[in-house]
Amino acid sequence: GENVEQHPSTLSVQEGDSAVIKCTYSDSASNYFPWYKQELGKRPQLIIDIRSNVGEKKDQRIAVTLNKTAKHFSLHITETQPEDSAVYFCAASLNRDKVIFGPGTSLSVIP
Amino acid sequence: ETGVTQTPRHLVMGMTNKKSLKCEQHLGHNAMYWYKQSAKKPLELMFVYNFKEQTENNSVPSRFSPECPNSSHLFLHLHTLQPEDSALYLCASSPTSGSSYEQYFGPGTRLTVT
Repeated sequence: GENVEQHPSTLSVQEGDSAVIKCTYSDSASNYFPWYKQELGKRPQLIIDIRSNVGEKKDQRIAVTLNKTAKHFSLHITETQPEDSAVYFCAASLNRDKVIFGPGTSLSVIP
Repeated sequence: ETGVTQTPRHLVMGMTNKKSLKCEQHLGHNAMYWYKQSAKKPLELMFVYNFKEQTENNSVPSRFSPECPNSSHLFLHLHTLQPEDSALYLCASSPTSGSSYEQYFGPGTRLTVT
């Protein structure tokens, strides 16, 4: 089955700097790659997703890149703000039924 | 309350107890999920239901028994649990048509097994 790895497990950045989180997946058939953000004590929420027919997607300060050949994808957050502090989960999926999440990255943005 | 709701929000139970977790979604979705969130495995898929039919059982022990009476409600029946089952149990729902695979999570039930 699908296995998703995520690095780093913790990340601290200064406010205004960029943050990059990287994930790898094992099943080359996976075609949907979402990113979820979970703030402390709150539920995970989708922040951006990308499909395998697209190499990059951007939404304001966040962007995701996908390298299908290498089976890895990354989340980029620019101009980080304290409210970006949260746990970020990447995931990979072949279909709606089975979205496999990575272990998460705890991001701290230091004011 | 709109979206995905879960009750109870907190539950403490002994290893010999039987209890149930409830999830309800008000989004018109037809897929519902149970996840276990713990320090060891942050978001571990347990069960998936599509149109009330179970489509995934991710090797979950039989002491966890799901039930989906309709597309809006999902239950997780618990019996003879172990202390290592203590975790946050998250329910989610998603649409089954269209291009979005987004999962909408509930607030979770914090379960402590004593």
